[in-house]
Amino acid sequence: GQNIDQPTEMTATEGAIVQINCTYQTSGFNGLFWYQQHAGEAPTFLSYNVLDGLEEKGRFSSFLSRSKGYSYLLLKELQMKDSASYLCAPMDSNYQLIWGAGTKLIIKP
Amino acid sequence: IAGITQAPTSQILAAGRRMTLRCTQDMRHNAMYWYRQDLGLGLRLIHYSNTAGTTGKGEVPDGYSVSRANTDDFPLTLASAVPSQTSVYFCASSDSKGDTDTQYFGPGTRLTVL
Repeated sequence: GQNIDQPTEMTATEGAIVQINCTYQTSGFNGLFWYQQHAGEAPTFLSYNVLDGLEEKGRFSSFLSRSKGYSYLLLKELQMKDSASYLCAPMDSNYQLIWGAGTKLIIKP
Repeated sequence: IAGITQAPTSQILAAGRRMTLRCTQDMRHNAMYWYRQDLGLGLRLIHYSNTAGTTGKGEVPDGYSVSRANTDDFPLTLASAVPSQTSVYFCASSDSKGDTDTQYFGPGTRLTVL
């Protein structure tokens, strides 16, 4: 079957760094997406990885290891506005996104 | 219009009633999707359309129908609503002929079935 595993909730301090992990099992693989979702709002696109390695985009970076079925999202210099849920979503062989339940990130001052 | 719009924003509906959720995009994306999001669960795909004139079933299609008469519009119909269809519904679109198939989401419709 297809499965996504990510922590339910994490807490971090403003200005710090946090890493949100995601492990996945899918039928085929066509890349992995990370989305941010603030409470009561729609998911918004953060990053896409299709090859192994680290993709950096400002304060956010995303890493992929296809052989391990593993990805992480790294958030640096945390700001209060980063309090949100972060959704890991690999794309399967049918080009459908398989969504995890998301990690709720709480930022404390 | 810029991006994807959904209507209504929220709705309270009596069980057994018929309801159509509207979704319109102006990005000329060929693919469109309907998801539902329930507390503690990931987004679940209801129906999708890879191009105008075609539709497909997702993970949880029962009780829902869709049509794709043109590129821009992708309405979702609940023929006879039941309380288990209480959820937040998101429409999304993507340019599946592009490099990454990134999906862009509408603001959502919060539906309560009593």
